[in-house]
Amino acid sequence: SQTIHQWPATLVQPVGSPLSLECTVEGTSNPNLYWYRQAAGRGLQLLFYSVGIGQISSEVPQNLSASRPQDRQFILSSKKLLLSDSGFYLCAWSVAGGYSYGYTFGSGTRLTVV
Amino acid sequence: AQSVAQPEDQVNVAEGNPLTVKCTYSVSGNPYLFWYVQYPNRGLQFLLKYITGDNLVKGSYGFEAEFNKSQTSFHLKKPSALVSDSALYFCAVRGRRGGSQGNLIFGKGTKLSVKP
Repeated sequence: SQTIHQWPATLVQPVGSPLSLECTVEGTSNPNLYWYRQAAGRGLQLLFYSVGIGQISSEVPQNLSASRPQDRQFILSSKKLLLSDSGFYLCAWSVAGGYSYGYTFGSGTRLTVV
Repeated sequence: AQSVAQPEDQVNVAEGNPLTVKCTYSVSGNPYLFWYVQYPNRGLQFLLKYITGDNLVKGSYGFEAEFNKSQTSFHLKKPSALVSDSALYFCAVRGRRGGSQGNLIFGKGTKLSVKP
């Protein structure tokens, strides 16, 4: 069966420090991968999505970047964190081209920038 | 452009009463529609989806949703609410085309509070 792993679960980082959040998927090949941010327990903001290795689409301009170095690995990064980067970050995957399928989400990372 | 509206920020229900969480959508062509639930500090969990066929879809934890094409709605329902149903609920729509048009579009979420 397919599983998605996201870590760390919580992270407290000082302003100006770098960030690296990792997401990996098991049990499937060539998934579509997504990074979302959720502020204050409400709406989801799509940050990045990827349909293949090295293929990243950015939905909003920001202080963050994403990379997909391997088929089932998706990394969210920042060189210098801002206070406004605080939030709950969610990784998700879906079947490529399988539009009747939904997304499967990871358990999330709570990032607090201090 | 595709969009999803959840008109209520919060729904309050007494335990044992029926609940409805509303969702309307806008998408070109026939949609795929989804409901997700999120408990505090957790990822979203899939509840149910509408692909085609019967307009009444049954999902996890006793939830169901009714697809109404003429009203472009996909309301989530449960006949008898439980306190444990208290959570954040997201409606989502997906078009049947490739590229970014195939991405799930989420509503802003509705907080369901079930009181004993």
